[in-house]
Amino acid sequence: DQQVKQNSPSLSVQEGRISILNCDYTNSMFDYFLWYKKYPAEGPTFLISISSIKDKNEDGRFTVFLNKSAKHLSLHIVPSQPGDSAVYFCAANSGGSNYKLTFGKGTLLTVNP
Amino acid sequence: NAGVTQTPKFQVLKTGQSMTLQCAQDMNHNSMYWYRQDPGMGLRLIYYSASEGTTDKGEVPNGYNVSRLNKREFSLRLESAAPSQTSVYFCASSAGPDGSEAQHFGDGTRLSIL
Repeated sequence: DQQVKQNSPSLSVQEGRISILNCDYTNSMFDYFLWYKKYPAEGPTFLISISSIKDKNEDGRFTVFLNKSAKHLSLHIVPSQPGDSAVYFCAANSGGSNYKLTFGKGTLLTVNP
Repeated sequence: NAGVTQTPKFQVLKTGQSMTLQCAQDMNHNSMYWYRQDPGMGLRLIYYSASEGTTDKGEVPNGYNVSRLNKREFSLRLESAAPSQTSVYFCASSAGPDGSEAQHFGDGTRLSIL
């Protein structure tokens, strides 16, 4: 049972446009959500997070939106840059414990110049 | 800043061989983790150590053992490697086990078992 789902394996956008990466979850006990970015041959890098008590968190070009009723979150990147090309993982944890971090399968974002 | 360092970066083993993957962090973090990533899959937790002196099983612990050697180091051991353990292994650390603490990852060990 996949508790964190990223249904789009890949996404391609033009430089300067908005990138929207989506993530759905099934476990209503999840209370913290994180996005990680991963370049080839490197480890994942933390990007941005959001607590379940909020519906939006913004950090520079990156904004995460959380819709708890729909069990859906999205990552917006505006404007997209070629250096943003990477695999993006959505992750969630529950019970306030990091060891319960559950990852989605990832979405490969390609930003074309 | 080294962050989380994993050794080796690549390794090829034969079925039945044993091996230890090493991980060290220099961020004075309390919690450390071992994950594996398989093609088309997200990361799955193998073992974790919430603090020095403690270790616990994660989602996929079978075939692995771990040792939290000290606050800095957390090793993963394959006692008798199997082809199903071919994967990319990531070590991570965080300031604490609290879910709001971001985990910081090493660059991975790519392990092939023939």
